[in-house]
Amino acid sequence: EDQVTQSPEALRLQEGESSSLNCSYTVSGLRGLFWYRQDPGKGPEFLFTLYSAGEEKEKERLKATLTKKESFLHITAPKPEDSATYLCAVPVGAAGNKLTFGGGTRVLVKP
Amino acid sequence: EAQVTQNPRYLITVTGKKLTVTCSQNMNHEYMSWYRQDPGLGLRQIYYSMNVEVTDKGDVPEGYKVSRKEKRNFPLILESPSPNQTSLYFCASSPLFRWYARGPETQYFGPGTRLLVL
Repeated sequence: EDQVTQSPEALRLQEGESSSLNCSYTVSGLRGLFWYRQDPGKGPEFLFTLYSAGEEKEKERLKATLTKKESFLHITAPKPEDSATYLCAVPVGAAGNKLTFGGGTRVLVKP
Repeated sequence: EAQVTQNPRYLITVTGKKLTVTCSQNMNHEYMSWYRQDPGLGLRQIYYSMNVEVTDKGDVPEGYKVSRKEKRNFPLILESPSPNQTSLYFCASSPLFRWYARGPETQYFGPGTRLLVL
């Protein structure tokens, strides 16, 4: 069964304290992995798309990496404005035209 | 401005009273989708559409209907809402993969519709 699991569920960081979020997946034939940021009460906002193992993408203090079984979102020297829920998602199903999201990781960065 | 719009943003209704939540995108995207988000359950896909007149079930389609008569619009219909459909709903659109013309690429989400069914 296609599954996407994120860990930890929640993360409390001090400003400047780097950390990593994990997204592990079990799908047959990965057709891409997406990372989103979601602020409370708002729609998810696209961050990255990764297509193949070994791929890395960066945006400001965020860096996403992909292996054959999991993806990591590294937050380097976070600031309070990085506080949000981070979601990962993968296309699933025989044709890959459904999208399954992980449960998300709630990140709180304290000044 | 490229965007996905949803209406209404907030809705309180009663059990059994049919309602429609509209979704429109101005990016000429082929793929559109509806999700619901509930505490502890995350984002779950309700229905999706690969193009005009092509729709299919997501993971939680029970109690919902959709239609895709035009490329830009993808309304969500609750024929007989029940309290367990109280949720935060998101519409999203995306292009399809260019080299693999199935499956969504980067999804762009609307602002959400908060629904309360009494």
